[in-house]
Amino acid sequence: EPEVTQTPSHQVTQMGQEVILRCVPISNHLYFYWYRQILGQKVEFLVSFYNNEISEKSEIFDDQFSVERPDGSNFTLKIRSTKLEDSAMYFCASSVGAVNTEAFFGQGTRLTVV
Amino acid sequence: RKEVEQDPGPFNVPEGATVAFNCTYSNSASQSFFWYRQDCRKEPKLLMSVYSSGNEDGRFTAQLNRASQYISLLIRDSKLSDSATYLCVVTQFYQGGKLIFGQGTELSVKP
Repeated sequence: EPEVTQTPSHQVTQMGQEVILRCVPISNHLYFYWYRQILGQKVEFLVSFYNNEISEKSEIFDDQFSVERPDGSNFTLKIRSTKLEDSAMYFCASSVGAVNTEAFFGQGTRLTVV
Repeated sequence: RKEVEQDPGPFNVPEGATVAFNCTYSNSASQSFFWYRQDCRKEPKLLMSVYSSGNEDGRFTAQLNRASQYISLLIRDSKLSDSATYLCVVTQFYQGGKLIFGQGTELSVKP
């Protein structure tokens, strides 16, 4: 069964460092997303990406965040200068369409900022 | 008002019980509705979509009331393996597939 894969599964970084979280969406999917979940809280939308550009982003997704699809298969989330409050589980997701279609989630990257 | 609001949990029920989860959403432009399941520290997985006519999948029944902006999930004959957090999720058409999650309701099924 096709799946969304994310690497690494766990990343520990020092405050102020840059991190890149990587995702390989399902190959025939067209819509890509990043979500985050702070421990004990709800899943929050960060950004959606379609046709090689951001289609929507949340207030959380400020100038410190960026996304890229550099080679047609990988989908990355970069945090330029991490803060303690960026510590969370980051989920990548992909879907075939934008409406009434299932979004498949990767297993997540647990980011710990120390 | 929260965009998607769910019953606070946790729900602790014995095996075989019937349990119902409720969810309300604030935006009347919401287009699609889902229940996802999340096991501890794992990714959300789609349990079922929710249609206006109501729909059933085995022991699971989902209902949608657009007038009341209310969604429900009923689990019959609950199993130990149903223990998880159940997430109510909505999308709006003009938001490119963005999923809006409720805070989740934790279910614990005991022997």
